[in-house]
Amino acid sequence: NAGVTQTPKFQVLKTGQSMTLQCAQDMNHEYMSWYRQDPGMGLRLIHYSVGAGITDQGEVPNGYNVSRSTTEDFPLRLLSAAPSQTSVYFCASSASGQGPNQPQHFGDGTRLSIL
Amino acid sequence: GNSVTQMEGPVTLSEEAFLTINCTYTATGYPSLFWYVQYPGEGLQLLLKATKADDKGSNKGFEATYRKETTSFHLEKGSVQVSDSAVYFCALSDHSGGYQKVTFGIGTKLQVIP
Repeated sequence: NAGVTQTPKFQVLKTGQSMTLQCAQDMNHEYMSWYRQDPGMGLRLIHYSVGAGITDQGEVPNGYNVSRSTTEDFPLRLLSAAPSQTSVYFCASSASGQGPNQPQHFGDGTRLSIL
Repeated sequence: GNSVTQMEGPVTLSEEAFLTINCTYTATGYPSLFWYVQYPGEGLQLLLKATKADDKGSNKGFEATYRKETTSFHLEKGSVQVSDSAVYFCALSDHSGGYQKVTFGIGTKLQVIP
């Protein structure tokens, strides 16, 4: 009963490095999203996808890229890491096609530090 | 746009005390409302939800009632336990533009002391 799986759980990067945070879900959910969680800011939406091949920007998209080639996977790419991107990143999915009352299912998060 | 307002806390209570965490919202349509809980080192988990006015969501002794007239969805529990220590997020969801749009509050940290 995997749900939403995020890897890695922890990562330390140097400024300017790139990396990809992985997210996979096994619930056949159409909607997937990436959030970052920072103290005093709650969760802020980075990018989201309403289905394979369809992505769009959220509230704080700068410095991040996404793609959705399959229903299951939604990787988040940091193009050139900056200290301001130090955060905890959460991937979430939901069966949004069934209406707005579908809950979000979250992964356990990736704790990312940029030095 | 939509917004959700809740206090950040921390809220510190003694075990068996009554809990209220306030949540108010603004939305243009008729959103669904949720409470999520985040335990240390974990992701958010759905605690309860309500999909229309006057609905009451409940789970694990927690309750919240969808009050459209006051645009509120306050979380309550009659007797908290140490294991309830966590961060609680209020959220709303609607289908603006044909897809789900979710707005979260900043989260309220609850600390329950023995």
